[in-house]
Amino acid sequence: GAVVSQHPSWVICKSGTSVKIECRSLDFQATTMFWYRQFPKQSLMLMATSNEGSKATYEQGVEKDKFLINHASLTLSTLTVTSAHPEDSSFYICSGQAQYYEQYFGPGTRLTVT
Amino acid sequence: TQLLEQSPQFLSIQEGENLTVYCNSSSVFSSLQWYRQEPGEGPVLLVTVVTGGEVKKLKRLTFQFGDARKDSSLHITAAQPGDTGLYLCAGFTGGGNKLTFGTGTQLKVEL
Repeated sequence: GAVVSQHPSWVICKSGTSVKIECRSLDFQATTMFWYRQFPKQSLMLMATSNEGSKATYEQGVEKDKFLINHASLTLSTLTVTSAHPEDSSFYICSGQAQYYEQYFGPGTRLTVT
Repeated sequence: TQLLEQSPQFLSIQEGENLTVYCNSSSVFSSLQWYRQEPGEGPVLLVTVVTGGEVKKLKRLTFQFGDARKDSSLHITAAQPGDTGLYLCAGFTGGGNKLTFGTGTQLKVEL
């Protein structure tokens, strides 16, 4: 199956700093990538849809100025959490969409803001 | 907002037992998927069901899509400790490409 990687796998940062998370499709081109957020023992919540070469579409309640998404190529999307706060601590997962709407998920990035 | 409710929320059983997880919604889904997720990892796709009434079997796992395409079930026969994980259903609506995830079922299978 198609492979999606995320970097870093975990990160600890101080409150007020910014953190960038990378999502790469390793063996396929993903014109669309999705970013999800998951709190402990809960399901995945879609944050935004990222289309290559255009602005991301954010779900209701997600601050676009806080969660900056860039999808500069068919294999790379980045999520930057700006001015991070402890409540932003979460597990962030991306997925790349292949043909027929199949989504392949990355292994996730654990963000802890102290 | 479409909502996919899963039940039960948590399930702890002994090895060898059978179990069923349910995924229900008031919305119609064009297709529905089941994933399993282990701690600290991304979800892994188990199956996609597309046709109302469809039944798919994957070794000890049996998946069913409701006739009206609003609900689905996952049945595991003779559960093993390796089946432990978070099971998530997720559906596509209409012609969209966004997945709506269910509330999740945390399964623990003990020896």
